[in-house]
Amino acid sequence: EARLVESGGGLVQPGGSLRLSCAASGFSVSNYYMSWVRQAPGKGLEWVSILYSGGNTYYADSVNGRFTISRDSSKNTLFLQMNNLRDEDTAVYYCASDPYSLLFGVWGQGTLVTVSS
Amino acid sequence: DIQMTQSPSSLSASVGDRVTITCRASQGISRSLAWYQQKPEKAPTCLIYGASSLQSWVPSRFSASGSGTDFTLTIDSLQPEDFATYYCQQYNSYPLTFGGGTRVEIK
Repeated sequence: EARLVESGGGLVQPGGSLRLSCAASGFSVSNYYMSWVRQAPGKGLEWVSILYSGGNTYYADSVNGRFTISRDSSKNTLFLQMNNLRDEDTAVYYCASDPYSLLFGVWGQGTLVTVSS
Repeated sequence: DIQMTQSPSSLSASVGDRVTITCRASQGISRSLAWYQQKPEKAPTCLIYGASSLQSWVPSRFSASGSGTDFTLTIDSLQPEDFATYYCQQYNSYPLTFGGGTRVEIK
């Protein structure tokens, strides 16, 4: 069974950095489309970034240049490096994946990132 | 960017009711549409992909249709466990975008 477990969230000051991790089991992160999706408190879902099996990456305009998605195949883990964080980055960050397409067939439980001074 | 507009934003219904949620894309997306269910304090789960294909675990009371710009999700005979927020998502082009959500509440 495919499973994703996020970690690394927490409280950070504006301008700070944080790295989220998403440990996968039941499949290889190298073979799936791997994504980050976030949800601000009381709001809807917002796609953040995606990493293809071939290595291509794409980002939402709101995070482009500040966030970097990557993976460590040996640890079967996806990462999101978040720099220059802003108040509006406050959200629950979900790791999500799919073997075939750019949708989100499997989700983690989410990790909360709070950007506040 | 492709804007996804869901309606209604919320609805109240009773157990046993038939519920229909619509999702409109600002430009054609073929059948590259998914539907998600999210219960409070939980991660979303994918119900539908390819506009009308149910995930294997989804009950048959759920159905979906559409192509191009107009899509619908229908729940026949609403059950207590179906009270949740539903989101559509297009995966035709970047940025990947979601609708604003439809909250299905108990009447």
